[in-house]
Amino acid sequence: DAKTTQPNSMESNEEEPVHLPCNHSTISGTDYIHWYRQLPSQGPEYVIHGLTSNVNNRMASLAIAEDRKSSTLILHRATLRDAAVYYCILRVDNYGQNFVFGPGTRLSVLP
Amino acid sequence: EAGVAQSPRYKIIEKRQSVAFWCNPISGHATLYWYQQILGQGPKLLIQFQNNGVVDDSQLPKDRFSAERLKGVDSTLKIQPAKLEDSAVYLCASSRTGKGGYTFGSGTRLTVV
Repeated sequence: DAKTTQPNSMESNEEEPVHLPCNHSTISGTDYIHWYRQLPSQGPEYVIHGLTSNVNNRMASLAIAEDRKSSTLILHRATLRDAAVYYCILRVDNYGQNFVFGPGTRLSVLP
Repeated sequence: EAGVAQSPRYKIIEKRQSVAFWCNPISGHATLYWYQQILGQGPKLLIQFQNNGVVDDSQLPKDRFSAERLKGVDSTLKIQPAKLEDSAVYLCASSRTGKGGYTFGSGTRLTVV
């Protein structure tokens, strides 16, 4: 599985935008970029995913670099409930391919 | 739709004892996964089922861990005998087809003393 690199931790103030970076310089053409987050004492939950184009949903936006070697998860207005560990994962969208989780980025949101 | 159900929520056992965890995936989800998450790390896949067949168990410590998914619905994960290093959260996830996203349960926190 292709590797991703994320900062260990980040801090944000409440109601400000948050940009969570992810580097994946060895990404292949068939790898999708997935983001999951894990709130305290819960299992990971899906946030967003994309292949080449930027993606938006009600939770976040995903900005993908033109060369696809990096991406950024954007939370437009951080709330205290967004404090979690955020995982950036590459996966080929084929049957049998699993999600391989790294240590992720621990996001703290300050009131 | 109802989420992935896991039980128990917490379990404390002594080393060398046995323990079992139960998972009920989302209805209609053919693919089921068990992950182990040690404190401070990301989840690590233990085993993947497609219906009641095993797709990938390459990271399952088969000398002490076993899992089954009878009738392609519920699944149980067993550890016998437990070691101190098995202390972790055991997460179950399911997916409709094995492609796309997963839905995770809240996990079972196991403490081995």
